[in-house]
Amino acid sequence: GDSVTQMEGPVTLSEEAFLTINCTYTATGYPSLFWYVQYPGEGLQLLLKATKADDKGSNKGFEATYRKETTSFHLEKGSVQVSDSAVYFCALRPSGRDDKIIFGKGTRLHILP
Amino acid sequence: DTAVSQTPKYLVTQMGNDKSIKCEQNLGHDTMYWYKQDSKKFLKIMFSYNNKELIINETVPNRFSPKSPDKAHLNLHINSLELGDSAVYFCASSQAGGWNTGELFFGEGSRLTVL
Repeated sequence: GDSVTQMEGPVTLSEEAFLTINCTYTATGYPSLFWYVQYPGEGLQLLLKATKADDKGSNKGFEATYRKETTSFHLEKGSVQVSDSAVYFCALRPSGRDDKIIFGKGTRLHILP
Repeated sequence: DTAVSQTPKYLVTQMGNDKSIKCEQNLGHDTMYWYKQDSKKFLKIMFSYNNKELIINETVPNRFSPKSPDKAHLNLHINSLELGDSAVYFCASSQAGGWNTGELFFGEGSRLTVL
């Protein structure tokens, strides 16, 4: 079945470091792909999305490119800040399905000042 | 002015009890959901309602019963609580057709601990 696999956390980086959180998926057809973020004490919120191959989603300095050939949607940011400390979830909506979004396990990110 | 609010935020109870979690959204959305996040952080959809009608019911024990009195509210009632029900339960909402954009708006979660 459809699934999302993302790197285990926690990930700990120093401020201004480069960030990559890996995400790969298994799905038939062309799913839509998403990154959600959960800041401490808050609910999940959409960070960025891409709905077709080679699309690049971006928001708040974060980027992710939909790579059909490698079934990946890795999250990147060039220079992280302490305020980026949160849990990041990769997710997909299966092709042709309007009734569910499947989430990865989440990756906790700690940024040290 | 919270968009999606859940109560209570924390709930500690004994096995066998019955408890409810309430959810309200003030976004005017048509669709509401319950997700369960287990100790391994997996998020799994349990139920979704569109305009008070059930549209998704994943494989969830029938001890879990959602109720939607109107499209702004989706409550979750759990009977005969078991240890395995301990988790964080998230309520979410979206616009009609929101699934097509993935724009889910989540509440802060309700952490249920069954002793």
